[in-house]
Amino acid sequence: DTAVSQTPKYLVTQMGNDKSIKCEQNLGHDTMYWYKQDSKKFLKIMFSYNNKELIINETVPNRFSPKSPDKAHLNLHINSLELGDSAVYFCASSQRRSTGELFFGEGSRLTVL
Amino acid sequence: AQKVTQAQTEISVVEKEDVTLDCVYETRDTTYYLFWYKQPPSGELVFLIRRNSFDEQNEISGRYSWNFQKSTSSFNFTITASQVVDSAVYFCALSEKGAGSYQLTFGKGTKLSVIP
Repeated sequence: DTAVSQTPKYLVTQMGNDKSIKCEQNLGHDTMYWYKQDSKKFLKIMFSYNNKELIINETVPNRFSPKSPDKAHLNLHINSLELGDSAVYFCASSQRRSTGELFFGEGSRLTVL
Repeated sequence: AQKVTQAQTEISVVEKEDVTLDCVYETRDTTYYLFWYKQPPSGELVFLIRRNSFDEQNEISGRYSWNFQKSTSSFNFTITASQVVDSAVYFCALSEKGAGSYQLTFGKGTKLSVIP
């Protein structure tokens, strides 16, 4: 069983389109995250949700909107895609009371043409 | 200033050589946690180790060992007798408490290539 699963794994789309990436975890964790990994492999946190509540929102364009329908799901919706949005997006989860050990999904590679 | 610095961008070694990946961190917290993650060419992020700020004991796990020194704010990772399967990008990360929960900040990673 996959602990943290993301779909789709690959996404190729045109500039200006809107797309979503879904994430689900079956670990019973109460905190979920989105990280962006750019072409230079740099991993940067975008958002964090705890029990459906936004707790971290780094400097990210407001074209990016996370949505957490329940604590096992955290979806990422991106409006008006730009070339610079091309990256690998990782979903992760943890227990809020934990010490930061994150369990990552396999990543979703987004390519904007 | 970066909170986690991995000064080595890329390292190449010949198989069976030992290699050390450096990590220097910066924090004002007294309680924090340090991590290493591995990202093989397949792309997933694999947890390797967690260390808390109160435990400076070095740790060994098979061919992997970690050296934590608070005096120099370093948490270095050594692979002994490297193998081709060790080729990956390795990330050091720091977890500090913020906004009521711990937040993980990654270094920029060190790409290790082990040549057969």
